[in-house]
Amino acid sequence: AQTVTQSQPEMSVQEAETVTLSCTYDTSESDYYLFWYKQPPSRQMILVIRQEAYKQQNATENRFSVNFQKAAKSFSLKISDSQLGDAAMYFCACLTQGGSEKLVFGKGTKLTVNP
Amino acid sequence: DAGVIQSPRHEVTEMGQEVTLRCKPISGHDYLFWYRQTMMRGLELLIYFNNNVPIDDSGMPEDRFSAKMPNASFSTLKIQPSEPRDSAVYFCASALLTVSYHNEQFFGPGTRLTVL
Repeated sequence: AQTVTQSQPEMSVQEAETVTLSCTYDTSESDYYLFWYKQPPSRQMILVIRQEAYKQQNATENRFSVNFQKAAKSFSLKISDSQLGDAAMYFCACLTQGGSEKLVFGKGTKLTVNP
Repeated sequence: DAGVIQSPRHEVTEMGQEVTLRCKPISGHDYLFWYRQTMMRGLELLIYFNNNVPIDDSGMPEDRFSAKMPNASFSTLKIQPSEPRDSAVYFCASALLTVSYHNEQFFGPGTRLTVL
């Protein structure tokens, strides 16, 4: 069974600074996808960034980038130039292939952005 | 597209009552998922459908929970009878399994259920 672990229940960052959220995962599958979702106070789950396990290059979406370390099963999210609107819960998730579409989530990290 | 639509957004009911949550997936999507979010357990997958057929219901907590997908544009999650421990936010998500979508799941706004 897959597991996803986010070891930081809460993080804070100053506006315009950079913050990194940690995530480790465990799966026996060789083909899988990794995701970071953002959940603001509105509750809406918003996809931030995705990474295919077969790609060595780290995914980047504007101010958001990941550090994907496949051997270490680590998938951290870096937010550059943090903005007040980045304040939210962030969830790391893993989806394995091979006939199942089950997305397994970590417990989340609450990010506070200080002005 | 309007995205995934869920109703109601908020539901308050008394223990023992039947609760029905509704979901309309994004048109053309062939997967539909029901999740439950609580502080204690986080986000849990309850059940998912592919082409209206239930594929995996191993996350459904007990027989009080049931889900149906009578057609490609509608699904329900029913709890009968409801209990206070069922209080949570219930999310519906849909997906289209193609290479270009990379298995992204699109979430609805959720239904906050409170069972008194």
